[in-house]
Amino acid sequence: AQSVTQLGSHVSVSEGALVLLRCNYSSSVPPYLFWYVQYPNQGLQLLLKYTTGATLVKGINGFEAEFKKSETSFHLTKPSAHMSDAAEYFCASVNSGGYQKVTFGTGTKLQVIP
Amino acid sequence: DTGVSQDPRHKITKRGQNVTFRCDPISEHNRLYWYRQTLGQGPEFLTYFQNEAQLEKSRLLSDRFSAERPKGSFSTLEIQRTEQGDSAMYLCASSYGGSGNTIYFGEGSWLTVV
Repeated sequence: AQSVTQLGSHVSVSEGALVLLRCNYSSSVPPYLFWYVQYPNQGLQLLLKYTTGATLVKGINGFEAEFKKSETSFHLTKPSAHMSDAAEYFCASVNSGGYQKVTFGTGTKLQVIP
Repeated sequence: DTGVSQDPRHKITKRGQNVTFRCDPISEHNRLYWYRQTLGQGPEFLTYFQNEAQLEKSRLLSDRFSAERPKGSFSTLEIQRTEQGDSAMYLCASSYGGSGNTIYFGEGSWLTVV
């Protein structure tokens, strides 16, 4: 069975500082990996995804993530945090075969300090 | 593209009452999913439809829960004899095609059982 672990339920960064949100996956085969963002009282919006090909993927709002098979990781980064980045971020995985049963991590709430 | 639409957005009900949520997926998306999210947790898979066929149900979906997707278009999620533990946000999502394709989420339906 696949699972996703997000280290740190809360992360605080200063505005302009580097954002690093950690995600590790567990799967018998490399899954497809996603990062979603959720603003208060809203649904989830896709930031970026990794399926195949280039292991460094770029997403919306300046975010990017790197798939590292050797470390079973898919950490999310952004060079410079903006106040508007304050939200909850979910890492998710999908079996690369079969249908898209998405398994989510427990989320990391990002606080951006002015 | 109108996105995934969910109705109602908020529902307060008394314990023991029945509630029904509706989801309209993105047009021509053949896959539809229901998830449940409680405070501080990531979304948890409830059930999945491919066209009109319900292909998987989570063990989280007790006998009081039923989901349908007649004609493979919109879907409904009904909860009978609601309990306080059913209070959560119910998220609907849809996608088309293979497992690497993006899953689009609606904004969720908040249920509060009092």
